[in-house]
Amino acid sequence: DVVVTQTPLSLPVSFGDQVSISCRSSQSLANSYGNTYLSWYLHKPGQSPQLLIYGISNRFSGVPDRFSGSGSGTDFTLKISTIKPEDLGMYYCLQGTHQPLTFGAGTKLELK
Amino acid sequence: DVQLQESGPGLVKPSQSLSLTCTVTGYSITSDYAWNWIRQFPGNKLEWMGYISYSGSTSYNPSLKSRISITRDTSKNQFFLQLNSVTTEDTATYYCARLITTVVEGYYFDYWGQGTTLTVSS
Repeated sequence: DVVVTQTPLSLPVSFGDQVSISCRSSQSLANSYGNTYLSWYLHKPGQSPQLLIYGISNRFSGVPDRFSGSGSGTDFTLKISTIKPEDLGMYYCLQGTHQPLTFGAGTKLELK
Repeated sequence: DVQLQESGPGLVKPSQSLSLTCTVTGYSITSDYAWNWIRQFPGNKLEWMGYISYSGSTSYNPSLKSRISITRDTSKNQFFLQLNSVTTEDTATYYCARLITTVVEGYYFDYWGQGTTLTVSS
């Protein structure tokens, strides 16, 4: 299985901060057609996980532009600028290139 | 709007089978995409379990392959998870989700259910 290493596991923040979360995969997530299937999710307590970013850098419908994704190959980053209260929760990356699909361990974004 | 809703027994005894239902509204499960089960263990780890596609084909996580079955009832727009020989390690919150499967934009989950908690205990 492709191992996705997500860091940091915990990220204490203040509102208005800019932060980055990293996901590194044990093998390249680019398929033979050159497409890379890496997505990001936010999971708030008591809610279902919500899609933020797909295909490395495409924001899902309704996701604010303070969320951005980047990367290639094995290294990917989610950047959140100007953190707001509604951004607190667990963030996960997912690799969808290789079977079985695998998630990162999660990053808990919490108040300092 | 697409909505998914899980339902299940809440408590299952070790060695028994668990059965969960995902009811989908707002989209036909036979139109497109893949319909998945994902679970979240205590401690927050997420595990993809498997899916049934719009055509009825299935794909399972090899870690579960001998114990899992995903089926559907197209007349009710529902799909189901059966997991056999459960142990306490199967205690988790179980989610159903729609997996977008496109060549260019890739594989990602765009709609999830609220989740149903399952405890395995005698």
